[in-house]
Amino acid sequence: DAKTTQPPSMDCAEGRAANLPCNHSTISGNEYVYWYRQIHSQGPQYIIHGLKNNETNEMASLIITEDRKSSTLILPHATLRDTAVYYCIVRVPGTYKYIFGTGTRLKVLA
Amino acid sequence: DADVTQTPRNRITKTGKRIMLECSQTKGHDRMYWYRQDPGLGLRLIYYSFDVKDINKGEISDGYSVSRQAQAKFSLSLESAIPNQTALYFCATSDPGWTSGRESQSTDTQYFGPGTRLTVL
Repeated sequence: DAKTTQPPSMDCAEGRAANLPCNHSTISGNEYVYWYRQIHSQGPQYIIHGLKNNETNEMASLIITEDRKSSTLILPHATLRDTAVYYCIVRVPGTYKYIFGTGTRLKVLA
Repeated sequence: DADVTQTPRNRITKTGKRIMLECSQTKGHDRMYWYRQDPGLGLRLIYYSFDVKDINKGEISDGYSVSRQAQAKFSLSLESAIPNQTALYFCATSDPGWTSGRESQSTDTQYFGPGTRLTVL
């Protein structure tokens, strides 16, 4: 099954860009990469998703390597409220099942 | 108002009791999901439903059952609760979100409820 690998934790200074990496080397060719975050024990919040091209929305940017084996989520100007666990997710190939790893715990420092 | 709601938000019960967790959504999505989350771990899929007549087991369905009463409602039951079912439970919904073009694909972004914290003593 496709799965993702993320660093367990990262720190980022407030106002700086937070770059969160994800390895998904076994992703199949037509599967999207999704990013969610979870603040405390709240429900995961959708951030962004992408397939091949880089994507940007009001929350973040997603950079996907050309071989699609890894991606980086960029929060351009991190705030204290961005402190959360960030999950990079792919689906089980041929299904609609998300595979959640343990995510990256991002701490934004004042 | 929240698009995906869950009740109750917190529940403490005893071993052997029957528990029902409820999920409602106003997003108009056909697809609904139940996940559980244990401390320090990611979410794991319990059951999912693509429409009212469709129910599918996820990776950890043993000890759980579900009911899809309507497009907007999806309930999770623990027939006889046990302590290792103590966890956070999340409901989610999704829409296929088919992309346009010759190679149409489903983006199927999921939207999660606020969660139910269940403790089984």
